[in-house]
Amino acid sequence: GAVVSQHPSWVICKSGTSVKIECRSLDFQATTMFWYRQFPKQSLMLMATSNEGSKATYEQGVEKDKFLINHASLTLSTLTVTSAHPEDSSFYICSARDLVGQDMNIQYFGAGTRLSVL
Amino acid sequence: QKEVEQNSGPLSVPEGAIASLNCTYSDRVSQSFFWYRQYSGKSPELIMSIYSNGDKEDGRFTAQLNKASQYVSLLIRDSQPSDSATYLCAVRILTGGGNKLTFGTGTQLKVEL
Repeated sequence: GAVVSQHPSWVICKSGTSVKIECRSLDFQATTMFWYRQFPKQSLMLMATSNEGSKATYEQGVEKDKFLINHASLTLSTLTVTSAHPEDSSFYICSARDLVGQDMNIQYFGAGTRLSVL
Repeated sequence: QKEVEQNSGPLSVPEGAIASLNCTYSDRVSQSFFWYRQYSGKSPELIMSIYSNGDKEDGRFTAQLNKASQYVSLLIRDSQPSDSATYLCAVRILTGGGNKLTFGTGTQLKVEL
């Protein structure tokens, strides 16, 4: 299957700082990537859909000015959590589909980034 | 009503038994269905995809889809302790804003020795 790489896997930061998370499609081009957030004991919630060369589409209730998404190339999307606060502590996971691969319906996930804001 | 519903469990089965995981969905126009396995602290990994009514088998795993009943299930034969994880049902739902993968809350499976 297609490989999605996410970095960093773990980050601890002070309240008020910004954190950037990278998501790369390693062996395919991804015009669209997806960013999810998962709180403990809960399911994945879609935050936004990242579109290469255009603005991201945010889900209802997700602050676009707080969660900045940049999808500057066909293999890289970044999520920046600006002025992070303890309530932003969560597991952030990116995902992408290989639209020319064997099964274009399948979404492949990165390893996730665990963010802890002190 | 939630778009994708699963029993949170935990579902406990003895080693070697068949584990049966169930999922219902609300949107009749859903076309694609997936089962992901998620170990604690890790991201989801794809177990099965199914798009047509009926059964689809892959090794010890069988996915079953019944679109009329809006029901999809996952059977795990010869359950192993390594199968202990949370199993997420995901449905690709077509909406006016595009198509999105929506997840259930997951069923925790415990395979006991």
